[in-house]
Amino acid sequence: EPEVTQTPSHQVTQMGQEVILRCVPISNHLYFYWYRQILGQKVEFLVSFYNNEISEKSEIFDDQFSVERPDGSNFTLKIRSTKLEDSAMYFCASNGEPLANTIYFGEGSWLTVV
Amino acid sequence: QQQVKQSPQSLIVQKGGISIINCAYENTAFDYFPWYQQFPGKGPALLIAIRPDVSEKKEGRFTISFNKSAKQFSLHIMDSQPGDSATYFCAASKETSGSRLTFGEGTQLTVNP
Repeated sequence: EPEVTQTPSHQVTQMGQEVILRCVPISNHLYFYWYRQILGQKVEFLVSFYNNEISEKSEIFDDQFSVERPDGSNFTLKIRSTKLEDSAMYFCASNGEPLANTIYFGEGSWLTVV
Repeated sequence: QQQVKQSPQSLIVQKGGISIINCAYENTAFDYFPWYQQFPGKGPALLIAIRPDVSEKKEGRFTISFNKSAKQFSLHIMDSQPGDSATYFCAASKETSGSRLTFGEGTQLTVNP
């Protein structure tokens, strides 16, 4: 079964450093997402991306965050200057069929900011 | 308006029992209601989903009941098994392309052997 793959699985970074999380969505999918999950809490929407632009973003997705699809297969989330409160599991997700809404999640990248 | 409230926070059932998890939503624009299952260290995986034109959907041991007037929906797991032990999230979204999922707080289910 096709799957969303994410790298790295775990990253530890110093506060203030830039982090890039990478994702390879399912190949024929058109819509891409980032969600995050702080330990023990619910999954929260960050951003959706379609046709090479952001289609929606949450209040969490401030100027420190950016997304990019640099080469037609990868989808990245950049955090410009990490804060302690950015420590969370970040999930990439994708779906491909209009109105189908079956969103497939990757296994996540666990970010620890120290 | 965007919230989805889920209960209980945790649930312990015996093998073979019925697990019931409830969710309530506020936004009447939501028209797609999936349930996700998450094992530790893994991403959420779609379990079953329902649209508001039906009141119930069953797939194997998993059933969603949907009450549009009450803005509530629930997941029933029949004949619960230890392998069902996981965190379950309800979610809701608008059924338009690329819509965000709004998740409930999650229910940690433990099925004792």
